[in-house]
Amino acid sequence: SQTIHQWPATLVQPVGSPLSLECTVEGTSNPNLYWYRQAAGRGLQLLFYSVGIGQISSEVPQNLSASRPQDRQFILSSKKLLLSDSGFYLCAWSAVLANEQYFGPGTRLTVT
Amino acid sequence: KQEVTQIPAALSVPEGENLVLNCSFTDSAIYNLQWFRQDPGKGLTSLLLIQSSQREQTSGRLNASLDKSSGRSTLYIAASQPGDSATYLCAPETGANNLFFGTGTRLTVIP
Repeated sequence: SQTIHQWPATLVQPVGSPLSLECTVEGTSNPNLYWYRQAAGRGLQLLFYSVGIGQISSEVPQNLSASRPQDRQFILSSKKLLLSDSGFYLCAWSAVLANEQYFGPGTRLTVT
Repeated sequence: KQEVTQIPAALSVPEGENLVLNCSFTDSAIYNLQWFRQDPGKGLTSLLLIQSSQREQTSGRLNASLDKSSGRSTLYIAASQPGDSATYLCAPETGANNLFFGTGTRLTVIP
């Protein structure tokens, strides 16, 4: 069966510090991968999605970036965090040619 | 751009009641619509997925309907239980696996 992992589970970082959140998927090959953010009081917003290694599409301009160095690894990064980057970050995957998305447990990021 | 509204924002019901959660979306050109539940501080669990050609989907005590042309979906929960307490999110997909989420309905089922 497929599983999706995210770490860390929680993170507190000062403004201006770098960020690296990792997501890995097991039990499937060549998945589509997604990063979402859920800010306080707001709906989930798609940040990035990837259909293959090195292929990243950005949905929202911001100071975040994403990379996919391996087939089942998706990384969300920032060089300098802003207060507005605080939120709950969720990674998701879907099978190629399938619609249903499956979400990871999330990372709670607080920028202070 | 797709906008999703969920009403009510919060709902509190006694155990055993049947209830309906509403979702409306502005762009009816969707491929499908998913309903998720989110427990506090947790990721999302997919409940039901309705293809754009379908009118409804059922899973256990859950039934989701879709009226694509009017931009509406409902999630019906029968015989609610305290374990159903969570936030319920609907998410229509408008191409490229791009899901748009509402802010959800926070459900509390009182024992």
